[in-house]
Amino acid sequence: EIVLTQSPGTLSLSPGERATLSCRASQSVSGSYLAWYQQKPGQAPSLIIYGVSSRATGIADRFSGSGSGTDFTLTISRVEPEDFAVYYCQQYGNSPFDFGGGTKVEIK
Amino acid sequence: EVQLVESGGGLVQPGGSLRLSCAASGFTFSSHSMNWVRQAPGRGLEWVSGISGSGDSTFYADSVKGRFTISRDNSKNTLYLQLTSLRAEDTAIYHCGKSALNCTGGECYSYWYFDLWGRGTLVTVSS
Repeated sequence: EIVLTQSPGTLSLSPGERATLSCRASQSVSGSYLAWYQQKPGQAPSLIIYGVSSRATGIADRFSGSGSGTDFTLTISRVEPEDFAVYYCQQYGNSPFDFGGGTKVEIK
Repeated sequence: EVQLVESGGGLVQPGGSLRLSCAASGFTFSSHSMNWVRQAPGRGLEWVSGISGSGDSTFYADSVKGRFTISRDNSKNTLYLQLTSLRAEDTAIYHCGKSALNCTGGECYSYWYFDLWGRGTLVTVSS
């Protein structure tokens, strides 16, 4: 079973700043099968990145994903007001298709 | 409209049972693997179970193996999760999620990331 550890737990930023979120896996993620989701309060999660770096349909290009093996990063180049939310990474190479614990991006 | 709508949640006593449903619309249901993901109050996401498009293959998290059963009825475009031997720690919002399907050159491959989610149904296990 692959355990995903996200850091930091909370990221306090002002609009316009750069956000860098980390997701570290306990073992190599096969096939670059790593996704990121955004969840706003009271809403279902929504897909933003799959395959480490491919943006989902309709996702703004300020969102980018990178990494390989066990270390992955979600970057928001300039945080917009609508980006304040919780972000989760997920590996989908092997069952169980677990999520990391999440990073909350909050307004500073 | 492409959507997933869960139902069947409620209050149940420890040791009890419940069946959740997820009605799908707007896409070819039988082509997609489907999943259940839960979120305890104030906590993160936990993948619970997945099932292939045909229903032939099923997968479970260790925390629910032997107690929960995933199934699907492709004629009704509906996904199910049978919950038995429920515990307080099963209290959560249960979301269904559609696995992605990527097709190139006439070949389609299913991937276990989720490109469509339902809003969820709340299961509360308490005496």
